[in-house]
Amino acid sequence: QSVLTQPPSVSAAPGQKVTISCSGSSSNIGNNYVSWYQQLPGTAPKLLIYDNNKRPSGIPDRFSGSKSGTSATLGITGLQTGDEADYYCGTWDSSLSAFVVFGGGTKLTVL
Amino acid sequence: QVQLVQSGAEVKKPGASVKVSCKASGYTFTSYYMHWVRQAPGQGLEWMGIINPSGGSTSYAQKLQGRVTMTRDTSTSTVYMELSSLRSEDTAVYYCARSSVRTSLDLWGRGTLVTVSS
Repeated sequence: QSVLTQPPSVSAAPGQKVTISCSGSSSNIGNNYVSWYQQLPGTAPKLLIYDNNKRPSGIPDRFSGSKSGTSATLGITGLQTGDEADYYCGTWDSSLSAFVVFGGGTKLTVL
Repeated sequence: QVQLVQSGAEVKKPGASVKVSCKASGYTFTSYYMHWVRQAPGQGLEWMGIINPSGGSTSYAQKLQGRVTMTRDTSTSTVYMELSSLRSEDTAVYYCARSSVRTSLDLWGRGTLVTVSS
């Protein structure tokens, strides 16, 4: 059971928009920046969004992030087949069990 | 270029130990923390612990306390993760990833598959 809660899967057609939610608590999302990671099949995770809503160099502006209270959201517009991947939210946590926590991951299917 | 290069796949028997390496290049090794994250087959990401390459201080996930040890060698810009008393549930891909203080994991290694099987 992951500390952060994400939907197991989302799907949408090419060109459409999709959002992925990530829910936590005051010990993690509520008091820390949220990051999003994209994991294409058979590869390592890659940073997609940092500090809630910033994109690293090279990440297209089709990807966006937001945070409100103890929840965060990843948005992807203009869906492409190449966006099919697992998406994970992550943040730091002030609990004793772990410094960094992740969501369980969301499988995006582009129909 | 900026990268993390991990050691190759390992096959271990239950009860044994494994030591995985992660060599950093292209940046100042001691300026970033290093994390270890693992992913069991078909499962999500699990944070294992963090090491500060500058002073060597570590913190581990409570679940792995007593079985995991992270060390570093500043002369070769390499961090190591050793996991002992291996069990089948430890079969996973193990990733190293760097971060600054309380920020995102912005650079990841390609992963090392550790298989625990009798």
